[in-house]
Amino acid sequence: DTGVSQDPRHKITKRGQNVTFRCDPISEHNRLYWYRQTLGQGPEFLTYFQNEAQLEKSRLLSDRFSAERPKGSFSTLEIQRTEQGDSAMYLCASSLANEQYFGPGTRLTVT
Amino acid sequence: AQSVAQPEDQVNVAEGNPLTVKCTYSVSGNPYLFWYVQYPNRGLQFLLKYITGDNLVKGSYGFEAEFNKSQTSFHLKKPSALVSDSALYFCAVRSSTSNTGKLIFGQGTTLQVKP
Repeated sequence: DTGVSQDPRHKITKRGQNVTFRCDPISEHNRLYWYRQTLGQGPEFLTYFQNEAQLEKSRLLSDRFSAERPKGSFSTLEIQRTEQGDSAMYLCASSLANEQYFGPGTRLTVT
Repeated sequence: AQSVAQPEDQVNVAEGNPLTVKCTYSVSGNPYLFWYVQYPNRGLQFLLKYITGDNLVKGSYGFEAEFNKSQTSFHLKKPSALVSDSALYFCAVRSSTSNTGKLIFGQGTTLQVKP
């Protein structure tokens, strides 16, 4: 399968813990996006990478959130000191041109 | 500010009948418009896009969408619905002037096709 992959698919954590998610984009895609989706809502943009450079961050991305794409390939999204409000589906997408291709998402539950 | 509205939370249609899922948008500059479908516990699958050219665009699984600039709409259509089309559908927009290509999504419309 040459699509976007994300790991883990599900994560349950206790409030205050740190979590890290990984995204592997389609190999030739230089653009990578992170979105967050809560129940009953459409995805909301979090951040964008072109190759290894993080070029845009949403105001939704508080100081507890950090994302990296160290070699312009895979990306990680870390949430520090998780809160119950962080519970959501975290989606990664990659793109070469206009359309974005999404991974299956990581569902985070903070208890 | 850019925005997308999907006025119907749910659309119900009988199998074999035509379906329409509505979308209107607001964006600065020329719009790039997209439709995605999401099945339970899955990511979003790309259906079709409008960038420029013909107002009627065709996509995957027999879906099509019509771009109407004066009405700022991009409704999704299919001539004959299948039960397997039942899913959550999202309309999304980006501005042609955006350097990053980030998408703004509507809140989604659940399509229920009954046998």
